[in-house]
Amino acid sequence: AQKITQTQPGMFVQEKEAVTLDCTYDTSDPSYGLFWYKQPSSGEMIFLIYQGSYDQQNATEGRYSLNFQKARKSANLVISASQLGDSAMYFCAMREGPQTGANNLFFGTGTRLTVIP
Amino acid sequence: GAVVSQHPSWVICKSGTSVKIECRSLDFQATTMFWYRQFPKQSLMLMATSNEGSKATYEQGVEKDKFLINHASLTLSTLTVTSAHPEDSSFYICSAKTSGISDTQYFGPGTRLTVL
Repeated sequence: AQKITQTQPGMFVQEKEAVTLDCTYDTSDPSYGLFWYKQPSSGEMIFLIYQGSYDQQNATEGRYSLNFQKARKSANLVISASQLGDSAMYFCAMREGPQTGANNLFFGTGTRLTVIP
Repeated sequence: GAVVSQHPSWVICKSGTSVKIECRSLDFQATTMFWYRQFPKQSLMLMATSNEGSKATYEQGVEKDKFLINHASLTLSTLTVTSAHPEDSSFYICSAKTSGISDTQYFGPGTRLTVL
């Protein structure tokens, strides 16, 4: 089974509007972390936001927020007030196991977001 | 945030030659570094995990003799693609993380390898 599922290969959003990028995950480990990364056309992976499995509140970082619904195993990324520079590929990723381990990340297939002026 | 560099950013080589890619953590000590491979319009695939001073752990299907990984110091890991072939052409990305509370992986800018 896929550990990370991103069902939206592509999304469009009007500039200044909000957009939600979906991500569901699959793990039986009680300790895990969820990440969102942005990959512009240049290829670099830019860290956006992190949510730990034990975190009580949804993570927020500026215009990014993570809608963490543990029972549904979903970790959707919400981008508010979209900007043209937000156009990029977005990857959801998960780390299984405790934070202090050398655990790698499992990546989803990504969602290509296009912001329309 | 933490900065990870990769060198070179792109390389073109002839089939049969070896190529070395460096990954450096510039402002933190990376106890663990990861090497990923990304084909066009696809997700990142983990190749191997390397811890400083020990042998790398390779993912299933990744040939350890072909993709040599050395993590000689807390700030440097290298990936050497030996006897490269056109099918090795890809985008290679490294990431680094520290030990301790924050386990965010910081990624390098990637290296585009083209084997002719």
